Amino acid sequence: DQQVKQNSPSLSVQEGRISILNCDYTNSMFDYFLWYKKYPAEGPTFLISISSIKDKNEDGRFTVFLNKSAKHLSLHIVPSQPGDSAVYFCAASAGNNNNDMRFGAGTRLTVKP
Amino acid sequence: DTGVSQDPRHKITKRGQNVTFRCDPISEHNRLYWYRQTLGQGPEFLTYFQNEAQLEKSRLLSDRFSAERPKGSFSTLEIQRTEQGDSAMYLCASSLTGGFYEQYFGPGTRLTVT
Repeated sequence: DQQVKQNSPSLSVQEGRISILNCDYTNSMFDYFLWYKKYPAEGPTFLISISSIKDKNEDGRFTVFLNKSAKHLSLHIVPSQPGDSAVYFCAASAGNNNNDMRFGAGTRLTVKP
Repeated sequence: DTGVSQDPRHKITKRGQNVTFRCDPISEHNRLYWYRQTLGQGPEFLTYFQNEAQLEKSRLLSDRFSAERPKGSFSTLEIQRTEQGDSAMYLCASSLTGGFYEQYFGPGTRLTVT
């Protein structure tokens, strides 16, 4: 059951421009959402998170937006840098107990110099 | 602390053999998780421990899969009678508990069953 979906397998942007990665979920019980970045031959690295009581969280060049009514979240990277090229995973969990985290299939971001 | 470590990084085995993977979490993290990741997919949750207690194991893929964390520190994941379909990346993660805490992942063990 694919409760977290990332419908774009890949995205290519020019250095300095904005990257927008999207994620949709189906389980209305999800209340904590995370983005992870993964480089080849490494495990996923935590990037940014948001709880359902917020609709925006910002950390430097990275901003996550949550639209609960649409069950949609997005990650904005501004400005994009070549070092941001990686696979980005959206993840979600339910309850104050993030033990059963569900991941999307990932979006491969390529930032061209 | 250098983060979550996993050993081995790569394992090639023949079908029918048993394999065991080890995970060492971040020292102050009392939660430890195991995931499987196949090509083109995100990590798939298998099981998790809080200290030495295995609190969720219904998502283990079959009874050939088992995990232990005997002293609440490192953990092992064993796959018995491996099948070609077990070929995947096996990821371990750890976290604090008691709220919304992100999980920190290790580099993974890539299993190839021939």
